[in-house]
Amino acid sequence: AQKVTQAQTEISVVEKEDVTLDCVYETRDTTYYLFWYKQPPSGELVFLIRRNSFDEQNEISGRYSWNFQKSTSSFNFTITASQVVDSAVYFCALSDNDMRFGAGTRLTVKP
Amino acid sequence: EAGVAQSPRYKIIEKRQSVAFWCNPISGHATLYWYQQILGQGPKLLIQFQNNGVVDDSQLPKDRFSAERLKGVDSTLKIQPAKLEDSAVYLCASSLARPLQETQYFGPGTRLLVL
Repeated sequence: AQKVTQAQTEISVVEKEDVTLDCVYETRDTTYYLFWYKQPPSGELVFLIRRNSFDEQNEISGRYSWNFQKSTSSFNFTITASQVVDSAVYFCALSDNDMRFGAGTRLTVKP
Repeated sequence: EAGVAQSPRYKIIEKRQSVAFWCNPISGHATLYWYQQILGQGPKLLIQFQNNGVVDDSQLPKDRFSAERLKGVDSTLKIQPAKLEDSAVYLCASSLARPLQETQYFGPGTRLLVL
């Protein structure tokens, strides 16, 4: 069965700390897509990254980086030198024959 | 480029009333999705359209929910009659084509409160 687990419900860090948000997924398909979205207090889901199952290359975009490991079915997201504006709920999502989101991790970055 | 538009942004109704939400996707996006996001949870896919045809509505509670995308652009999601448990944010998203493979871009959502 398709499933996305974000075990960390809430994380609180102080500005400039690094933080990693975990995502573990389950799927029987060999072709699938993984996503991360950010949901700030305004409520709109903001796309961050899309990765297909055949591309295990890690990606870095500014202070954001993603670590995709098929061997452990994980797609973790790291924010380096966190800022107050990073405070939001972050969702990991899996798309194969369906689109399923994790329950989200609420990140609070304190000044 | 304009994003996904939704209206209304907020709606308060009493149980057993009906309500409708409207979505205008990003121009040129063939695929449109409706999601329900209950407070504290991730979005749950209700229905997806490819142009004006339904691709998957397996998670849509069809006894009370309906959706249409008659001309392959705008879409309407309706709830009739509403129940207390329908209180949620209803999100619309769109993507270029190939349902579930392309990146989905989301609108601001409609926050529904059923009293």
